[in-house]
Amino acid sequence: DGGITQSPKYLFRKEGQNVTLSCEQNLNHDAMYWYRQDPGQGLRLIYYSQIVNDFQKGDIAEGYSVSREKKESFPLTVTSAQKNPTAFYLCASSVPQAGEQYFGPGTRLTVT
Amino acid sequence: AQSVSQHNHHVILSEAASLELGCNYSYGGTVNLFWYVQYPGQHLQLLLKYFSGDPLVKGIKGFEAEFIKSKFSFNLRKPSVQWSDTAEYFCAVSPSGGYNKLIFGAGTRLAVHP
Repeated sequence: DGGITQSPKYLFRKEGQNVTLSCEQNLNHDAMYWYRQDPGQGLRLIYYSQIVNDFQKGDIAEGYSVSREKKESFPLTVTSAQKNPTAFYLCASSVPQAGEQYFGPGTRLTVT
Repeated sequence: AQSVSQHNHHVILSEAASLELGCNYSYGGTVNLFWYVQYPGQHLQLLLKYFSGDPLVKGIKGFEAEFIKSKFSFNLRKPSVQWSDTAEYFCAVSPSGGYNKLIFGAGTRLAVHP
């Protein structure tokens, strides 16, 4: 089955710890994205990558970092510098310039 | 800055009622328009999209949307909702051509009562 997998589904961390969220796709898409979803705010773009070894900041990149060493993988690290990290994180992928993005099931991160 | 506005944050309907969810965007150029749906516990999935051509587009599960360029609007409609339509609905906009960065609205939570 083609699709996007995100793991884990739920993640709990203590304040001050970095945490890495996994995103893997087998759709052979060049472009990948990370969004943050908060109640009443829709989805906000954190980082995106149009091609391997290249990525750009989105609208709310502060406190986050990414890497894109393989086409299939786009992990997101939530650093201790992120002031309000508790949220639902969604990964997506697309064929560049195709418009439509495909989403993974999401990871709900809780930091206490 | 580009933005998307969804006017209704929460909508409650009875089964068989008609649905219209508003979406307006601000962007001066040509855009691609989308409605995504997030059913409880499921992935965000595409409901329908508009790139060009007929401004009335039909999507899955009986949904349709109309692009009115003069009003910068892309409202979602369904003539008769079902309990299974209970979900959160997101309107999104992307500038045509080039990199397809999506700008999402805040979402509308729809609850359909039997």
